[in-house]
Amino acid sequence: DAKTTQPTSMDCAEGRAANLPCNHSTISGNEYVYWYRQIHSQGPQYIIHGLKNNETNEMASLIITEDRKSSTLILPHATLRDTAVYYCIVRVMSGGSNYKLTFGKGTLLTVNP
Amino acid sequence: NAGVTQTPKFRVLKTGQSMTLLCAQDMNHEYMYWYRQDPGMGLRLIHYSVGEGTTAKGEVPDGYNVSRLKKQNFLLGLESAAPSQTSVYFCASSYGGSNQPQHFGDGTRLSIL
Repeated sequence: DAKTTQPTSMDCAEGRAANLPCNHSTISGNEYVYWYRQIHSQGPQYIIHGLKNNETNEMASLIITEDRKSSTLILPHATLRDTAVYYCIVRVMSGGSNYKLTFGKGTLLTVNP
Repeated sequence: NAGVTQTPKFRVLKTGQSMTLLCAQDMNHEYMYWYRQDPGMGLRLIHYSVGEGTTAKGEVPDGYNVSRLKKQNFLLGLESAAPSQTSVYFCASSYGGSNQPQHFGDGTRLSIL
């Protein structure tokens, strides 16, 4: 799996959009970008994933640059409950036997009142 | 929407005791996983299963055994607990293999004295 780079921490005001960047300059053509988060004392939570098109679901939007070397996770209206560590992961699209999710250090997002 | 349920949530054991952690999922997922999470170590895959009746070793399988007798359940056993097995254990499941999102339970906090 390709390596990712994320800022260590970010702050966001409640109600504002939170934009979390991720660099994955060594991404291969068959690798997806995944985002998970882990709220303190809870299990990791899947948020969204994409290959090259922008994606949106009920939790967030994922914007992937045209060259696929970076992406941004957008929480449109952050709440206090969105305070968590956010992990950007790059994984092969299909096949293979690498079932292990490799979480890096992630970004600690703190949403402030 | 139960998702992935882990039992128990907390447990304290004495060295040498045995116990079984239960993971149940109601999403009809084929794949199930057991991870442990330790401070500064990230998630480490213990064992996984690609379907009912099958199991395979992850990256840290020693000291643990697993069974997948029913599709919805994945059991993690500690035959003779050691202090080094003090950790938070997470179970996850996914519909398919390496390209599918994994959905996690809220963890079992295990302390071995």
